[in-house]
Order: sequence, then C-alpha cells, then structure tokens
Amino acid sequence: EDQVTQSPEALRLQEGESSSLNCSYTVSGLRGLFWYRQDPGKGPEFLFTLYSAGEEKEKERLKATLTKKESFLHITAPKPEDSATYLCAVQVDTGRRALTFGSGTRLQVQP
Amino acid sequence: GAGVSQSPSNKVTEKGKDVELRCDPISGHTALYWYRQSLGQGLEFLIYFQGNSAPDKSGLPSDRFSAERTGGSVSTLTIQRTQQEDSAVYLCASSTGGAGVRDTQYFGPGTRLTVL
Repeated sequence: EDQVTQSPEALRLQEGESSSLNCSYTVSGLRGLFWYRQDPGKGPEFLFTLYSAGEEKEKERLKATLTKKESFLHITAPKPEDSATYLCAVQVDTGRRALTFGSGTRLQVQP
Repeated sequence: GAGVSQSPSNKVTEKGKDVELRCDPISGHTALYWYRQSLGQGLEFLIYFQGNSAPDKSGLPSDRFSAERTGGSVSTLTIQRTQQEDSAVYLCASSTGGAGVRDTQYFGPGTRLTVL
C-alpha cells in the first residue's frame, strides 16, 4: 500500500528563520511527487512536481528536492505570508492517476 | 484563464437527504478528479474520469456515493441518504490527462458539506 508521511505536523518559525519540511514515501513505483500549498478555506494550490531522484525545483523562497525515499521543501527566509498548510502527494507508476496525500505540515511564520 | 470552479461553496443538509455537488473543470482538461478532506484527515481520492473511459470508482466509500460527467466537462457528485460522517470538504481537480502525460492536478475551492 502506498504511504506518504509528512513531518513535522506543525512548525512555527520567526520571520527570516529558514527551515525544511519532510515528506517520506513508500510506493511501488513513483510517477511523480507533488507539493501543494493550502490556505484555510481554500483548495490546494500547486507548487512543484518532482519526477526523479536528484531533481530540484525552486520558486521564490521555496525549494523542493527529491531522493528515492523522501522529499524536502526548504523555506528560505520565510515571511508571514508563507503561513499555510503544505501538502505532499505521490502519483504511482501503475496507470492509476489518483494522488495519495500526506496529512500536511501546518506552517506559521511570525513577524 | 479560469480555474476549477465548484458549487455550492457551502451546503448544510439534514441526515438522510440527498445532495448534489457540482464541478466545472478548467477548459480543455480531459481528466477530472473528486477528493474528500475530512477534519483531521488528509485528502482522500474518491473517483476519476478520463475522457470517455470508464471512471475509476475505487475510492468511493459506499454505494451512497456516485458521480457522473456529462459531455466530458461538468461533473456532479451525488451523495444519497447523507450521514453525519459525510461531513467534509469535497474537492474537485482537473488535469490535461492523456496516457503517458506528466500532468498536474489543479484544484477548485471545494464545497464544505455539513450534515446535521
């Protein structure tokens, strides 16, 4: 059974204090790993897709990396507007297109 | 362009009533997904439509849940005889779809369903 585990469940940072969120996965064959951001009362907003180990993608203060067992979302010098829940999801290479999500990391950045 | 839209944004119903939730995917997207997000739980897959192929219904929790997609565009998720445990946010997503395509699922704002 495909499993996705995110840690920590919650993270509180001071503005400018860099950190990383972890997403570990156990799947039969990875087709893609996705990062989404979700604000309260809204749907998930797409951030990144990673397809193979060693791949990295960046967007503003966010950088996502992928290994064969886990992915990290690095947040550099975060701002209060980066506060949200960050969701990790995997799509497996079996033709099944559904995403399997982790439970998310709630990030709060204090000014 | 316009994103995925869902209606209603909020729905309050009484236990035992039927409800219909609507999803309008991004124009041109052939794949459409329904997920459910319950309080304290992650998003869970419900059903997937791809073009004219038979839908993947493997995530539907019971036979009270059904969905259809008319004309390859708009989709309706129907929950019959609602129960309190059906209370959740129902999210719709769409993607370009197609075999062998590395596509991204884009989500709508969701419908918050409350069953009293």
